[in-house]
Formats: sequence, C-alpha cells, structure tokens
Amino acid sequence: NAGVTQTPKFRILKIGQSMTLQCTQDMNHNYMYWYRQDPGMGLKLIYYSVGAGITDKGEVPNGYNVSRSTTEDFPLRLELAAPSQTSVYFCASSYVAGTYNEQFFGPGTRLTVL
Amino acid sequence: QKEVEQNSGPLSVPEGAIASLNCTYSDRGSQSFFWYRQYSGKSPELIMSIYSNGDKEDGRFTAQLNKASQYVSLLIRDSQPSDSATYLCAVKKSGGSYIPTFGRGTSLIVHP
Repeated sequence: NAGVTQTPKFRILKIGQSMTLQCTQDMNHNYMYWYRQDPGMGLKLIYYSVGAGITDKGEVPNGYNVSRSTTEDFPLRLELAAPSQTSVYFCASSYVAGTYNEQFFGPGTRLTVL
Repeated sequence: QKEVEQNSGPLSVPEGAIASLNCTYSDRGSQSFFWYRQYSGKSPELIMSIYSNGDKEDGRFTAQLNKASQYVSLLIRDSQPSDSATYLCAVKKSGGSYIPTFGRGTSLIVHP
C-alpha cells in the first residue's frame, strides 16, 4: 500500500493564480481531511469528507474548495491565491468505526504564494 | 481554555532518560486520544492511540489516560536523539463527526 499520496511536493504561485492539490489514498478509508500547518501553529482543518459525495467545512475553509467523487481521491482547489495561503498542506485519511479514528497523513505540499 | 493544550517546550532530556509529554483537554466526554510524532519538515506520524483509562504500552512508548482529570500523557523510555521531534496530541470530542482536535505540539530535544 502506498498509503496517502500528495502532489505536488512543492509549488510557488503568484497572487491570483489557482491550483489543485491532489490527494489519493489506497486504504479504502471512508474519511479524508485537508489540513494546513503554519510554523508553530499546529494543524488547522480546512475541509473534510465522510465519504464519496459528502464534504463539509472545517475551521478555515475560506479560499478553498473540495470535491470527493471517489473513495480514493480528495482534491483541494485554491482559487485566487493570496499570500495568506502560504503554508504546508497535509491530506489525511482514516477508517472511522465507533471510537476508532486513527489518521494517516500524506507527505505534504509546501505552497508559497508571492 | 483551549480545547487541547500542550506545553510548546522545548522539553530537553538527556539520552537514556524518560521523556514525559503532557496534554490536557476541555471536553469531559472526549472518547479517543492520539499521539503523533512530527519530524521537522515531515508529516505527522501516528505513534499511539488510547481509548480507555489507564496505561497502554508499545515498545518504549507508554500512553496514559486519566479521563477524570482530563489529561493524557506520553512517556518515552530510554530516549534517543532520534526521538527529537514535535509531539502532537489529538483528541476526538464527544458527539458530532469524527474530527479530532489537535494541540499545537510539544518540541522534544534528546541530547547525547
């Protein structure tokens, strides 16, 4: 199993550009998440999905969009990039059953908006 | 009070010592508790999960949960320089969807 994969690893955007961060998991997990992590600030939830076709906002959804058409893929779309979106983005997945909810993270995408 | 609190550190311990990392949480009904290790520039990696009161041991790691006092701790025995990392505590609150809340993490430095 490859686990959770993310592309690209690094990206530099100009202000106002758009891009999609890709995330794929091969563990047949039902839940998927997108987080951003700023230096010293911990993980902040952007969006999450409880299954194909179902998504919901997290703590910091403004400026982002998601979709989940399959169990495996959960892309994150940035529209009109702003310097405030400079961060490291992590995708995660988990198999949720009862209280069991262990998350597995992808390697991250380091995004710089100039 | 923050939902999940950790001392940011750094916590510095000598090689071979026991490192003790603590986490407190505000929701008394919280059900699931996790410890993640994050090396600089890398993604979080799950090292322990605990769901009931008491101790859970896995190799050099022991997670301790005390729901009455609303804290969870991670003990690392025989600390090694390779244990130097940031340790994130995550707590799944009662009710709602299965979204854990993360603390900001504690930086651990193990010096030779």
